[in-house]
Amino acid sequence: DAGVIQSPRHEVTEMGQEVTLRCKPISGHDYLFWYRQTMMRGLELLIYFNNNVPIDDSGMPEDRFSAKMPNASFSTLKIQPSEPRDSAVYFCASSSGQGNTGELFFGEGSRLTVL
Amino acid sequence: TQLLEQSPQFLSIQEGENLTVYCNSSSVFSSLQWYRQEPGEGPVLLVTVVTGGEVKKLKRLTFQFGDARKDSSLHITAAQPGDTGLYLCAGDRSNTGKLIFGQGTTLQVKP
Repeated sequence: DAGVIQSPRHEVTEMGQEVTLRCKPISGHDYLFWYRQTMMRGLELLIYFNNNVPIDDSGMPEDRFSAKMPNASFSTLKIQPSEPRDSAVYFCASSSGQGNTGELFFGEGSRLTVL
Repeated sequence: TQLLEQSPQFLSIQEGENLTVYCNSSSVFSSLQWYRQEPGEGPVLLVTVVTGGEVKKLKRLTFQFGDARKDSSLHITAAQPGDTGLYLCAGDRSNTGKLIFGQGTTLQVKP
């Protein structure tokens, strides 16, 4: 299996531009998570899906952030408009089950820099 | 306020030394996981603990879950340069799969 695939690996954009991050989870995994990692705040859960349905989006910072999962093999995280404080590494992760045995498999991350 | 507090945040030691990393919370967790992350990569699972008082060993790494399931520790014996990385604890409070991460402990092991 190829693992969780994220794109782009690096994105540099200017403030105000729209940013779209993409994720392909591991086939057969029914949970998908979006995390954001910064030095100051560590790994923060933004949103997670179960069977393509958003379950908890309480970590989404504000209305500028949106996430979709149109099918079991694809998810997007969109920021519009982007701001410098959105600069971070965004990770997508998937798992095959909930609760106390659910291992998260992470992608390599998308490093976003907003100038 | 961080739900899971890790300490220390940074640790730099010589090869061969022992160390312990702590993960503490005022909340009870149904399970707790430890991950290791290397630069430019995503975190990778080391272990999951689910029972209060549980101890798991992974070669030179020993993981313990507190009796009250509010805290955990990671002990490394005879650290090696290959152990260098960011160690993260993550907890699931309500058995929903929603994992909350601690801030992490950056470990540097010098040869």
